[in-house]
Amino acid sequence: GAGVSQSPSNKVTEKGKDVELRCDPISGHTALYWYRQSLGQGLEFLIYFQGNSAPDKSGLPSDRFSAERTGGSVSTLTIQRTQQEDSAVYLCASSSRDFNPWETQYFGPGTRLLVL
Amino acid sequence: AQSVTQPDIHITVSEGASLELRCNYSYGATPYLFWYVQSPGQGLQLLLKYFSGDTLVQGIKGFEAEFKRSQSSFNLRKPSVHWSDAAEYFCAVGEQSGSASKIIFGSGTRLSIRP
Repeated sequence: GAGVSQSPSNKVTEKGKDVELRCDPISGHTALYWYRQSLGQGLEFLIYFQGNSAPDKSGLPSDRFSAERTGGSVSTLTIQRTQQEDSAVYLCASSSRDFNPWETQYFGPGTRLLVL
Repeated sequence: AQSVTQPDIHITVSEGASLELRCNYSYGATPYLFWYVQSPGQGLQLLLKYFSGDTLVQGIKGFEAEFKRSQSSFNLRKPSVHWSDAAEYFCAVGEQSGSASKIIFGSGTRLSIRP
């Protein structure tokens, strides 16, 4: 596609339920990032996929958070047993090369998650 | 670990006035620095980036930023703002540890434009 797409755009769930958020990166981009943006705060790094290597999970806030990237393309961020503090906008970004912190990241529109 | 500080949470300027958004970073070596903009209802967009060379970097939409190593700063400027510049602005620094790399973002500065 022309850009990074994310689905759903909005998700409302009840506390304790599991949610899955999807990211489709730009075709051919090998690096994929997930961030969380809480209300009134900056972007918090969650996880980074680099090609076929093991992902950098250093930003995941708890073991309730996990992510997969299948076939080096689509990624799914899963939040188990959601809590109200998980409410945020979850942003996905991709870039064309690995191992390059200076490579431009292209962001999707985000998924706005609300946990009631 | 690297960090990025944007000391101004919210700034309001008049349309046509000049703008400077502050950004300070903490990093031992030469940093990779970025400014992103997030307009209402839209995704983040890269305005400009700096790696090396000329310390004054030109970006899109008439923005520029100047890297000052002595002050650990990378302030964003625009000589004359337009109403469409109202948005959230994020400064960021690139970090590489071994084979992993990631971007550390500041907390953002919200820009409002006074008609």
